[in-house]
Amino acid sequence: NAGVTQTPKFQVLKTGQSMTLQCAQDMNHNSMYWYRQDPGMGLRLIYYSASEGTTDKGEVPNGYNVSRLNKREFSLRLESAAPSQTSVYFCASQTADNSPLHFGNGTRLTVT
Amino acid sequence: GQQVMQIPQYQHVQEGEDFTTYCNSSTTLSNIQWYKQRPGGHPVFLIQLVKSGEVKKQKRLTFQFGEAKKNSSLHITATQTTDVGTYFCAGPSTDSWGKFQFGAGTQVVVTP
Repeated sequence: NAGVTQTPKFQVLKTGQSMTLQCAQDMNHNSMYWYRQDPGMGLRLIYYSASEGTTDKGEVPNGYNVSRLNKREFSLRLESAAPSQTSVYFCASQTADNSPLHFGNGTRLTVT
Repeated sequence: GQQVMQIPQYQHVQEGEDFTTYCNSSTTLSNIQWYKQRPGGHPVFLIQLVKSGEVKKQKRLTFQFGEAKKNSSLHITATQTTDVGTYFCAGPSTDSWGKFQFGAGTQVVVTP
């Protein structure tokens, strides 16, 4: 009964380093999302994937890339981390359009 | 572009008191969802409203969707310490089916 699993939970990067945030869901959901959460700004959509093999930009895609590896997995990559990318990142999945979002526990990323 | 706004941003409540938080959209919504995020946690789906004027209750929580489907409210009766957290509303994005636009949230602090 895992739901949406994100790894790692915490990460500290230096400016310019790269890393990939992993997300996997075991609910056979079609849609998957990456959000970032910053104080006072709610949840902002970075990228989403409506189905396996498709990805689309959200509200704040600059500096990020994504891969929908298969139906279960949706990864987020930071090629050259910047301090402005310090945030909490949440992955979410959804069974169908307008159905509730199921969130992972989040990754707290600090870029120094 | 579409905006989803929540007021107030912060709500300090004495235990036992009632309070209401409001969500306003710049566009008419087909539905609205509410989520709760406990401190240090991830957003958890609470409820979805679809019909104009719809009212739904979950124990001490009452959710309402406005007649014009551009606003919603969450009223909590007899606030308890377990109500602490941030409450988000989310409405479907007008530029892409299935995506949600989140409000910035109302952070609720309960004083015993």
